[in-house]
Amino acid sequence: NAGVTQTPKFRILKIGQSMTLQCTQDMNHNYMYWYRQDPGMGLKLIYYSVGAGITDKGEVPNGYNVSRSTTEDFPLRLELAAPSQTSVYFCASSPRGVNQPQHFGDGTRLSIL
Amino acid sequence: ILNVEQSPQSLHVQEGDSTNFTCSFPSSNFYALHWYRWETAKSPEALFVMTLNGDEKKKGRISATLNTKEGYSYLYIKGSQPEDSATYLCASPNDYKLSFGAGTTVTVRA
Repeated sequence: NAGVTQTPKFRILKIGQSMTLQCTQDMNHNYMYWYRQDPGMGLKLIYYSVGAGITDKGEVPNGYNVSRSTTEDFPLRLELAAPSQTSVYFCASSPRGVNQPQHFGDGTRLSIL
Repeated sequence: ILNVEQSPQSLHVQEGDSTNFTCSFPSSNFYALHWYRWETAKSPEALFVMTLNGDEKKKGRISATLNTKEGYSYLYIKGSQPEDSATYLCASPNDYKLSFGAGTTVTVRA
């Protein structure tokens, strides 16, 4: 079972460049999430989606955009990369309902120089 | 954002010893409490989702208890092994999303 797949695993960007972090899940989960891991700060929610066509902001949405055109895919877009966006990004999914565990991808390590 | 707090922030335990640590969460409008295990350089992995007051869940040498009336949960590791070294996160639902605590980092010394 593939579960939640994130690509790429590593990326180095220059300031001002843009890129899309890909996330896809094959479990037919309705809910999907994007988090960033900041050192000593745990997980911060960037955006989330409760189904295709529905997205909403989390705690730290500035500088990011998302879309959810299908149940499987939830890409995260960085339009103008800034050094403050250097982080490890995790995508997660869960079935309908927050009493279900979230399944995490392996993460994308992004450095912006 | 719900205020989910974990203590201690970190702890060291000798191999073979048992340990426990705490997650505090708002007790009003309780819905569920999640525990995740997060090993270094890996992704978080779900341990338990607890929904009933007084519930106790167990997975191998790891167990958790829940007190929804006072808003806390304990995670226990019995007979710690080096492979138990990880950060343990708890999380409480907030609308359609989870509010995570900052985690307790456990280091097991051989």
